[in-house]
Amino acid sequence: NAGVMQNPRHLVRRRGQEARLRCSPMKGHSHVYWYRQLPEEGLKFMVYLQKENIIDESGMPKERFSAEFPKEGPSILRIQQVVRGDSAAYFCASSPVDRDEQFFGPGTRLTVL
Amino acid sequence: QQQVKQSPQSLIVQKGGISIINCAYENTAFDYFPWYQQFPGKGPALLIAIRPDVSEKKEGRFTISFNKSAKQFSLHIMDSQPGDSATYFCAARISNFGNEKLTFGTGTRLTIIP
Repeated sequence: NAGVMQNPRHLVRRRGQEARLRCSPMKGHSHVYWYRQLPEEGLKFMVYLQKENIIDESGMPKERFSAEFPKEGPSILRIQQVVRGDSAAYFCASSPVDRDEQFFGPGTRLTVL
Repeated sequence: QQQVKQSPQSLIVQKGGISIINCAYENTAFDYFPWYQQFPGKGPALLIAIRPDVSEKKEGRFTISFNKSAKQFSLHIMDSQPGDSATYFCAARISNFGNEKLTFGTGTRLTIIP
């Protein structure tokens, strides 16, 4: 059973470009969470999604950031018009229904030049 | 109220010793407390977790101690090994539908020296 998969693992963008981060949850998991980790800091919650629904986006900046988890395919975290402050590691986690555990992917390290 | 405070920021322990990392929380609605281990360049890996209806949980060399009245919980690593050198994060969560985000501590960088 493959773990949570994220791609790309590393992404370099210039200021003003768009970044698209993908997350495929573990098989059988229908809950997806996105977290951001700045250098030398802990993880901060961004958004919680189920298939075709955003459940909690309280940690996501109101502008430039969006997330989706379509019926088919991976969850996508989209950052428009990236700025240097968006440079961070973005982690996706998934969990099955009615279980506590969240399992994390390897992350996407975004660098904005 | 959503904060989880973790200490120490860094810790050096000799091989074979006991590593102890502490966390404290304010929100009494938290009812699930996991610990994660993260190696450089990797994602966090779930190590062990506890619910507040028990005061201690042990899995191998890893033990969580939980003090509900003090709103504190700690991770003990017995017989610490160089392979345990990593960053450890405590976290807390409220188990209501729609409220299931993890709130993380700021992390402890553990170094085990020979």
